Formats: sequence, C-alpha cells, structure tokens
Amino acid sequence: EAQVTQNPRYLITVTGKKLTVTCSQNMNHEYMSWYRQDPGLGLRQIYYSMNVEVTDKGDVPEGYKVSRKEKRNFPLILESPSPNQTSLYFCASSPLGLAGQVDETQYFGPGTRLLVL
Amino acid sequence: GQQVMQIPQYQHVQEGEDFTTYCNSSTTLSNIQWYKQRPGGHPVFLIQLVKSGEVKKQKRLTFQFGEAKKNSSLHITATQTTDVGTYFCAGLKTSYDKVIFGPGTSLSVIP
Repeated sequence: EAQVTQNPRYLITVTGKKLTVTCSQNMNHEYMSWYRQDPGLGLRQIYYSMNVEVTDKGDVPEGYKVSRKEKRNFPLILESPSPNQTSLYFCASSPLGLAGQVDETQYFGPGTRLLVL
Repeated sequence: GQQVMQIPQYQHVQEGEDFTTYCNSSTTLSNIQWYKQRPGGHPVFLIQLVKSGEVKKQKRLTFQFGEAKKNSSLHITATQTTDVGTYFCAGLKTSYDKVIFGPGTSLSVIP
C-alpha cells in the first residue's frame, strides 16, 4: 500500500531534549516536505527536499533540521525543542512533474502531535 | 513574502445548504491545489487547477481558478454531514518548489 509513515504519532518531551521525528514513503517520490499545523495558521512549510542530499528552508525553518540521505526517508530533527514548537507536524511526499516542478498531489502522513513542556 | 489567504475562516451551514470558500494569493500562481482535512485526520488531495479560468467538478464540488491565476474558489452544492472538515487551498508559485497553504476554512454541517 502506497503510504507516508511518521513516527512517533504522539510525543511529550521537555525543553532542550533533542528529538527526531521520522518520515518514510514507499512511493519513490523525489519531493518530501515537513509542515507544522497550528490553529488559525494552517499548514506552514518547515523544510523541503527536491531529492537526495537536496534540502531547502520553507517558511518556518528556525529551530529545525532535516536530512535526506535516502530517497524514502526525511527525518525532522529538533536539536533543542522549545514550548513554541508544540504543534501538529505532517510529513508529505510528491513526485516531481515532467519539468522537475512540484505540480502533483502531495501525500500526507498521519501526523505527529508534539508537546514540549 | 508570498501569502495565500482564505475566507471565511469558519462556516456553519444547515445540511442541504450550499457552501463556498475563497482563496486569494498576493502573487500569480502556477497552479493551485485543494485539500480536505477531516477532524483528527491528515490533509487529503482533492484537485489541482492549472489553467487560467479553469473550472473542474467532482460530483457536488466545483472548483474554479481565476483568470489572473491569483484566486480560486471551492463550491459545495447541497452539503452533507460527510463534507465536514477543513478545506485548504495550496498555491504553487512559478519557482516550482515551494507550496504555500492557506489557513483553511473549517466547515460544520448541522443535520
């Protein structure tokens, strides 16, 4: 079954304790992206990757890191989490169009709900 | 920076009434996508519009892309309780790599 998986689904942590949220897709998609969702703000892009070893900042990258060493995996790293990073996080993947652009549907993972105390 | 706005933020309708949400971008878009997120779920792709003035239909849902490719709308005819959720538009600028989501319109349907 074609899918995007995220782990963990729920996480409670304390300020400053490094954490990683994993994301994996089995559709051989080039494009992967991380979003955070907060009430009234919709989905804001944190980082995205056009392919292996190619990553770029989205609109709210501060406090986050990513890596793309393999095509299927795109982990999100919070080196020193803070309470303002409490949010619902979604990973998404998408194939690239014929001209290398993101013009296909994005498939979203189930989400990771993070609480930073 | 590029912004995508949506109105209204919330909409409560009686079952059977129509519903429309509007999406506006501060800049010209290459394409626009619409997603639906059910309560507690993740966004699910509905449709993509690419051409200026394009209109697409999916059963009771009608999607439009403005002539200037800066605005779009989603219209639901005769809403049903299964339509409950938040509808997001997502705009792609001609740079082809960043997707900007609107804040969403949350639809409640009263049986």
